[in-house]
Amino acid sequence: NAGVTQTPKFRVLKTGQSMTLLCAQDMNHEYMYWYRQDPGMGLRLIHYSVGEGTTAKGEVPDGYNVSRLKKQNFLLGLESAAPSQTSVYFCASRSGGSYNEQFFGPGTRLTVL
Amino acid sequence: EDKVVQSPLSLVVHEGDTVTLNCSYEVTNFRSLLWYKQEKKAPTFLFMLTSSGIEKKSGRLSSILDKKELSSILNITATQTGDSAIYLCAVVGGTSYGKLTFGQGTILTVHP
Repeated sequence: NAGVTQTPKFRVLKTGQSMTLLCAQDMNHEYMYWYRQDPGMGLRLIHYSVGEGTTAKGEVPDGYNVSRLKKQNFLLGLESAAPSQTSVYFCASRSGGSYNEQFFGPGTRLTVL
Repeated sequence: EDKVVQSPLSLVVHEGDTVTLNCSYEVTNFRSLLWYKQEKKAPTFLFMLTSSGIEKKSGRLSSILDKKELSSILNITATQTGDSAIYLCAVVGGTSYGKLTFGQGTILTVHP
């Protein structure tokens, strides 16, 4: 049982390049989330999904797109990376119900030059 | 818009000290408040507090929810160097599909 995994762990991009971050969970969780963490700002929600085939915008969605084609995977895409997207990205998942905690992946450190 | 504020933002103590971390919130239809500990990587879950469970304890860590004051505290007694981490507070509102709104975090450093 691997829990929540993220690929890649580190990445350096040049401005304007694109990339996709992959999140996978093996706990059969309905809900999945993408957050970014910047110094002094805690974690902020980018996009989330309440089930396979569904996605919704979070607090800071601009410049990102997501897809949830399979229940176990949640992809975060950057179409044209900008230095402001330099951050640590965390994926999380949880089971259905109102009072369940989220389980986090190990994070991806992204630097955009 | 839901909002969470933590204080202090950073704290330096010596082993054996007791610390209290604060979290205040504004949220529509409050459902739960969660505390996470973040060391080098992913946040790990500590406690969840709800209207029906306003006090939790695990070893040297304990947490209380004050729904009247819209706040929570996390206490750590007899601190150890392994307690050094970022402590994150987050809330879940009723219309948010379980989305967490996080505070800025408190950086705790415990010196030997």
